[in-house]
Amino acid sequence: DAKTTQPPSMDCAEGRAANLPCNHSTISGNEYVYWYRQIHSQGPQYIIHGLKNNETNEMASLIITEDRKSSTLILPHATLRDTAVYYCIVRVGDTGRRALTFGSGTRLQVQP
Amino acid sequence: DTGVSQDPRHKITKRGQNVTFRCDPISEHNRLYWYRQTLGQGPEFLTYFQNEAQLEKSRLLSDRFSAERPKGSFSTLEIQRTEQGDSAMYLCVSSLARDSRTEAFFGQGTRLTVV
Repeated sequence: DAKTTQPPSMDCAEGRAANLPCNHSTISGNEYVYWYRQIHSQGPQYIIHGLKNNETNEMASLIITEDRKSSTLILPHATLRDTAVYYCIVRVGDTGRRALTFGSGTRLQVQP
Repeated sequence: DTGVSQDPRHKITKRGQNVTFRCDPISEHNRLYWYRQTLGQGPEFLTYFQNEAQLEKSRLLSDRFSAERPKGSFSTLEIQRTEQGDSAMYLCVSSLARDSRTEAFFGQGTRLTVV
């Protein structure tokens, strides 16, 4: 699976959009970009994933650049409950037997 | 609540003791994973089951560790002769082999402290 690079930490004001970047310059054509987050003392939670088109769900939006070498997770109106570590992972879609490989993630602190 | 249950949530044990953790995945999910997470690090893969078959084991899984998934339902992870370095959060993950939109659902984890 392709390696990802994320900033170790970011701050965001409550109510503002949080934009979390991820670089994955060695991504292969059949690899998806997944985002998970982990709130303190809980297991990671799936947020969203995509291949090459932008995706949106009730939690977030995922913007993938045209060359697919980077992506941005957008939380449109961050709340204090969005304070968490956010992990960007790239992997081949359904090869479920291949485990998710986590990096160190980005620690997002939403400030009141 | 993701539907993946882990028991116990917390375990304190003395060095050298054996411990066993249990994971109950989402009932129709055929894939089950165990991960370990130490403070400040992302989760690390330990082992993977598809139904009852253990198909992959990480090099992190020393011979003191054993995992089972009898009948392809719940799973247990046993650590024998625990060491202080085994202190970590042990996470169980459940997923359904379906298509590219397969999601992985994490349990809340079992936090092990070896004293």
